[in-house]
Amino acid sequence: DTAVSQTPKYLVTQMGNDKSIKCEQNLGHDTMYWYKQDSKKFLKIMFSYNNKELIINETVPNRFSPKSPDKAHLNLHINSLELGDSAVYFCASSQDVSGGGANVLTFGAGSRLTVL
Amino acid sequence: GQNIDQPTEMTATEGAIVQINCTYQTSGFNGLFWYQQHAGEAPTFLSYNVLDGLEEKGRFSSFLSRSKGYSYLLLKELQMKDSASYLCAVRDGDYKLSFGAGTTVTVRA
Repeated sequence: DTAVSQTPKYLVTQMGNDKSIKCEQNLGHDTMYWYKQDSKKFLKIMFSYNNKELIINETVPNRFSPKSPDKAHLNLHINSLELGDSAVYFCASSQDVSGGGANVLTFGAGSRLTVL
Repeated sequence: GQNIDQPTEMTATEGAIVQINCTYQTSGFNGLFWYQQHAGEAPTFLSYNVLDGLEEKGRFSSFLSRSKGYSYLLLKELQMKDSASYLCAVRDGDYKLSFGAGTTVTVRA
């Protein structure tokens, strides 16, 4: 049973389209994240939710809108896709956002988005 | 913001030892992590340091010096399957985890 699962794994679409990536975790974690990994393999945080509440919102265009219907799900909707949005998007979860201990992030397998 | 530096690439021979250095500057500090990422796969957790010193886990060890803003990951008895990207990540005072650009390690026979 996959701990953090995201769909779709691959997404090819045209500029200007709107697309969504879904993420679900079955670890009972309180905190979920979206990271973007570009062609240079640099992994950059986009958003973080703790118990359905937005706690980190990096400098991301407002074409990107995360939604957390419950603490086990964090979806990412992208409007008006641009060429520069092409990347691998990783969902991740952790027990909580702060507190003691390692609070390790568990990542999903990634969703490779290609904008043509 | 965070500034995390690590070498881009390293090459080593099977059975050898490789040390990957990471230096960082952060606003506050709540731990340093090393992740391994094979090509086309998700990053997976390797180690965590929050206090100064060496943490050993089998063939992998990680060291931290908070005063120097420095860490290294030591990979011993290298195996072909260790060929991957190794990501240094730092959790800042606001508990935000930021990653370095990663070090691609190639293990040759």
